[in-house]
Amino acid sequence: GESVGLHLPTLSVQEGDNSIINCAYSNSASDYFIWYKQESGKGPQFIIDIRSNMDKRQGQRVTVLLNKTVKHLSLQIAATQPGDSAVYFCAENMPYSGGGADGLTFGKGTHLIIQP
Amino acid sequence: EAGVTQFPSHSVIEKGQTVTLRCDPISGHDNLYWYRRVMGKEIKFLLHFVKESKQDESGMPNNRFLAERTGGTYSTLKVQPAELEDSGVYFCASSQDFNQPQHFGDGTRLSIL
Repeated sequence: GESVGLHLPTLSVQEGDNSIINCAYSNSASDYFIWYKQESGKGPQFIIDIRSNMDKRQGQRVTVLLNKTVKHLSLQIAATQPGDSAVYFCAENMPYSGGGADGLTFGKGTHLIIQP
Repeated sequence: EAGVTQFPSHSVIEKGQTVTLRCDPISGHDNLYWYRRVMGKEIKFLLHFVKESKQDESGMPNNRFLAERTGGTYSTLKVQPAELEDSGVYFCASSQDFNQPQHFGDGTRLSIL
């Protein structure tokens, strides 16, 4: 699969438990952050985003927390289900400047495994 | 609403040959992005179109890669001539505006032999 050769940290949780996936981002100038879920053979699937003027945002069963002081982002998934098993990536983006660096910068990813 | 579609899903070619990848963004999305993941590395940005204009191609690895988006709809990424280190998964994404969620296709898995 795509993750062969890419040694990812792994988080294993029991079905029904909550999970927290952490990410340290690199650029203090970044103002937009996204969490993606990627299943084997598929592209990254958008989960939730947050802008730098917020420190928390909630979606359905997911919450993203942003700590700009320490450049840390986390994704909380409540009541995990087998379908949550996937690789999760954080991504950051800087304000549009017209001078380049338009694309998202992705983290290495975390492999979430849901145990039955 | 159809998502981002990419063609082909897999391509296996020999070193020195040419390959063209295609991406159809979500209808109405002016912003189109190409990314790639080579083995053992993170997903990396290649370039960004707004409609038919290249806004940023700072991530393109070298001049063997050429991206186009004539008419501002679908985009192609051509690799000519392909080298072994070009193997990887090439993703396309689109968004309505900059710093809006980018929606990804399932990628093209490119293998250079």
